[in-house]
Amino acid sequence: NAGVMQNPRHLVRRRGQEARLRCSPMKGHSHVYWYRQLPEEGLKFMVYLQKENIIDESGMPKERFSAEFPKEGPSILRIQQVVRGDSAAYFCASSPLMTAGGARVGIQYFGAGTRLSVL
Amino acid sequence: AQKITQTQPGMFVQEKEAVTLDCTYDTSDPSYGLFWYKQPSSGEMIFLIYQGSYDQQNATEGRYSLNFQKARKSANLVISASQLGDSAMYFCAMREDPNAGGTSYGKLTFGQGTILTVHP
Repeated sequence: NAGVMQNPRHLVRRRGQEARLRCSPMKGHSHVYWYRQLPEEGLKFMVYLQKENIIDESGMPKERFSAEFPKEGPSILRIQQVVRGDSAAYFCASSPLMTAGGARVGIQYFGAGTRLSVL
Repeated sequence: AQKITQTQPGMFVQEKEAVTLDCTYDTSDPSYGLFWYKQPSSGEMIFLIYQGSYDQQNATEGRYSLNFQKARKSANLVISASQLGDSAMYFCAMREDPNAGGTSYGKLTFGQGTILTVHP
């Protein structure tokens, strides 16, 4: 799981600013997932992307949040006009494309997370 | 409806002893995967073990084993020979696979976690 790179590790923003979180998946992985963890809680799914496509965004707030995974470069989770309630740890995970057989297919490996603090 | 339930907010174990962390789940999909992750105080999420719903045998990874009881919908994590470094938060998670046999995998649904403390 050390292969999933997230930056920055810590991000401080004032209310109303934009937060941009980056995630580079493990080499060979074509699926990216974003999760949010509020203090003292488990992770909550936000969005699932493949290259240039959003597959499932059922966990994304309707406003201010967006995500992309371009053909080149990292996946980006963007939060516009941040509010204090956006303060959380944001985790990115990646998984490989399924191949025939293999019990480990599709396991999601996580990055170290970005801790967002909104002042 | 909560799909993953971890009923133990905290557990204590003596070093070198075994400990079981409970996890029950709820799904109507015949194909699904069950996962355990460890989150130490440093905050990263570390994959521990995976069990597929069609796997005939319980999964094992070193000192970790998954006690999978499909009829009871439980997927308890057993850690043998506990070490001080095992002290962490442990999360059970489920992935439902409505497109079993397809080429995409869906989201993980996590439980609330269990804090494990290993005493020397």
